[in-house]
Amino acid sequence: AQSVTQLGSHVSVSEGALVLLRCNYSSSVPPYLFWYVQYPNQGLQLLLKYTSAATLVKGINGFEAEFKKSETSFHLTKPSAHMSDAAEYFCAVSPGNQFYFGTGTSLTVIP
Amino acid sequence: EADIYQTPRYLVIGTGKKITLECSQTMGHDKMYWYQQDPGMELHLIHYSYGVNSTEKGDLSSESTVSRIRTEHFPLTLESARPSHTSQYLCASRNTGTGELFFGEGSRLTVL
Repeated sequence: AQSVTQLGSHVSVSEGALVLLRCNYSSSVPPYLFWYVQYPNQGLQLLLKYTSAATLVKGINGFEAEFKKSETSFHLTKPSAHMSDAAEYFCAVSPGNQFYFGTGTSLTVIP
Repeated sequence: EADIYQTPRYLVIGTGKKITLECSQTMGHDKMYWYQQDPGMELHLIHYSYGVNSTEKGDLSSESTVSRIRTEHFPLTLESARPSHTSQYLCASRNTGTGELFFGEGSRLTVL
């Protein structure tokens, strides 16, 4: 069975601080892994994806994620948070035709 | 930029009404999906299609139906809306080559 666990439904960071959003997955086959961002009243937008190439993946807006097979993790980081990063973030795994999403992490950036 | 469009963006209707949420994409993707999303909750797959004349129900039981007569069009219909159908509905299509899922901006439905 495939599943995605996002630790922490709400994360608050100060502007300029490190952002760390956690994602662990389970998959019976080597998966594609994704992070999506959702701003209020909008659909989801792709931040970055892992497709079995480099384990450190760089995405848009300064975000990156590292695939760690031994830990079955795909945590999202950004060195310095901006106010515009406040949004809902979803981790997703896709071992085949289907996508499986986590429950999301709401990021608040404190000025 | 994703070329996938949903209408209406917002809809408020009374119980018992029939509604259709439209979804169109201009990317030529065969795979399309409908998700239901409630605040603070994960996305739940309610329908998907792998091509014209192909439709399947997703993991979450839904009273809605879908059709796929053309590649670019994947409408979702509720024959008789109820307050329990109040939610946001997200349409998506998948680029088979890159694996990426592209989302529309969503249709937020409120049933009174």
